[in-house]
Amino acid sequence: NSKVIQTPRYLVKGQGQKAKMRCIPEKGHPVVFWYQQNKNNEFKFLINFQNQEVLQQIDMTEKRFSAECPSNSPCSLEIQSSEAGDSALYLCASSLSIYEQYFGPGTRLTVL
Amino acid sequence: GEQVEQLPSILRVQEGSSASINCSYEDSASNYFPWYKQEPGENPKLIIDIRSNMERKQIQELIVLLDKKAKRFSLHITDTQPGDSAMYFCAASKGSNAKLTFGKGTKLSVKS
Repeated sequence: NSKVIQTPRYLVKGQGQKAKMRCIPEKGHPVVFWYQQNKNNEFKFLINFQNQEVLQQIDMTEKRFSAECPSNSPCSLEIQSSEAGDSALYLCASSLSIYEQYFGPGTRLTVL
Repeated sequence: GEQVEQLPSILRVQEGSSASINCSYEDSASNYFPWYKQEPGENPKLIIDIRSNMERKQIQELIVLLDKKAKRFSLHITDTQPGDSAMYFCAASKGSNAKLTFGKGTKLSVKS
């Protein structure tokens, strides 16, 4: 069973509000991924880190999304100004090896 | 970018029979192909995976086949049980610590 911890499990925000969610990877896993799973169950990769460094990220052209993985602190994903279309399950995964990714329980964001 | 097609989207089988899910990918550089099972309200759980240096892998009742030439891979669940009912997602990635590109999922229902 995955030991990735995500908080909060549920997040409700109004349009235009900030939404911040956190992820603690499995102990010893240096790589962290963020994915968005929409109501149609479709996955969208957002960003990944190895330790504190960004490995890959989508073109967050709207610049409303930001993420970081500081040392000795949980990783975080923040939406600066939430929109209704951001309502989704945000999944954090961590990886020890170069392949397997293990998902946390997710943060379900609802933007009213 | 990479695209992964997954069929069927819905699969209904009788308990004790086999279930097969097929996926195809576009990027011949993809080298890692995991399968996830996701139950309602739960996170995706890694159930089996295969790397490009293999053609077949089996874990208990789960069999994964990979045809690199055709760029196809498949999951076969033998002797299905009601507990196998869930959404199943295939995915592909290339390189180390790379993002996963997911298929759109298959909803498997096993009727007793």
